[in-house]
Amino acid sequence: EAQVTQNPRYLITVTGKKLTVTCSQNMNHEYMSWYRQDPGLGLRQIYYSMNVEVTDKGDVPEGYKVSRKEKRNFPLILESPSPNQTSLYFCASSSTTSGGFTDTQYFGPGTRLTVL
Amino acid sequence: SQKIEQNSEALNIQEGKTATLTCNYTNYSPAYLQWYRQDPGRGPVFLLLIRENEKEKRKERLKVTFDTTLKQSLFHITASQPADSATYLCALDEMGGKLIFGQGTELSVKP
Repeated sequence: EAQVTQNPRYLITVTGKKLTVTCSQNMNHEYMSWYRQDPGLGLRQIYYSMNVEVTDKGDVPEGYKVSRKEKRNFPLILESPSPNQTSLYFCASSSTTSGGFTDTQYFGPGTRLTVL
Repeated sequence: SQKIEQNSEALNIQEGKTATLTCNYTNYSPAYLQWYRQDPGRGPVFLLLIRENEKEKRKERLKVTFDTTLKQSLFHITASQPADSATYLCALDEMGGKLIFGQGTELSVKP
């Protein structure tokens, strides 16, 4: 079954304790992306990757890191989480067109993160 | 950079009626617009994509239009059902992978 998986699904942590949220897709997609969703602010892009070893900042990259060492995985790293990073996080993947655009986004189930 | 505006107010309609949701963008016309459905606490699910050279696209009870003059896309659900109740998101790709989503419009279909 084609899918995007995220782990963990729920996480409560404390300020400053490094954490990683994993994201994996089994569709051989070139493109992967991370979003955060907050009430009243919609989905905002954190980082994205058009292919292995290529990553770019989205609209809200501060406080986050990513890496893309393999095509299927795109982990999101919070080196020193703060309470304002409490949010619902989604990973997504997509194929890309020859023109450099993404296609249909397939989203993971989400990770609800609380930073105390 | 581009901004997307969707009706922030919830849309309440009666079962069987047509729901119409609006997506406006601010700058240049994107190569395409996408529409997604999102249920509470779950990831968005793709519904339809319309390209800038397409005026209209349909899929079962769904229809999307794209007006580059008005800088607007309309999303219609005909013969709406309570199961259509969800939040609907509009998105565009600025090229190179930078995606922008609207805040979404919450649709409630009453029996």
